[in-house]
Amino acid sequence: NAGVTQTPKFQVLKTGQSMTLQCAQDMNHEYMSWYRQDPGMGLRLIHYSVGAGITDQGEVPNGYNVSRSTTEDFPLRLLSAAPSQTSVYFCASSYSTLGGATYEQYFGPGTRLTVT
Amino acid sequence: GESVGLHLPTLSVQEGDNSIINCAYSNSASDYFIWYKQESGKGPQFIIDIRSNMDKRQGQRVTVLLNKTVKHLSLQIAATQPGDSAVYFCAENHITGRRALTFGSGTRLQVQP
Repeated sequence: NAGVTQTPKFQVLKTGQSMTLQCAQDMNHEYMSWYRQDPGMGLRLIHYSVGAGITDQGEVPNGYNVSRSTTEDFPLRLLSAAPSQTSVYFCASSYSTLGGATYEQYFGPGTRLTVT
Repeated sequence: GESVGLHLPTLSVQEGDNSIINCAYSNSASDYFIWYKQESGKGPQFIIDIRSNMDKRQGQRVTVLLNKTVKHLSLQIAATQPGDSAVYFCAENHITGRRALTFGSGTRLQVQP
């Protein structure tokens, strides 16, 4: 298994440009989420999905859109990039366990985005 | 509001010593906690988790302690090694809530040879 993969690894955008960060997992996980990590800080939740066709907002959703058409993919779209969106973006997935075994989230390697 | 925070931003220990990283949370409804390790340039990596019906859980060289009375948890690393140098995050969630974590700001562990 490749686990959680993210592309691209690095990206530079100009203010106002749009782009899509890709995330895919091959573990058949129902749950996927996007976080951003700013220097010296923890991860903040942007959007998450509990299954194909279902998404919801996290702590910092403004300026981002998501969709979940398949179990495997969960792309994050920046509508009109702003310097405040300069960050490292992590995608994560976790499995569903009846009876609640663990809620371990598996993280991708991250996408480092710079908006100038 | 909810918050998960850490007492110390940087912890420096000698190789072979035990390390203790602390974390406080403010939401008494939190019932599931995870510790993650993040090495430079990489995504967070799961270390150990604990549910609120437990007060201690042990893994390989790591122990997590949970004190619900004061809303505090700690990660203990035995015989710290240079490879343990990283940023450590605690995170919390509700078992019945959304499957997305609230993270603390992290503690950097530096292991001195």
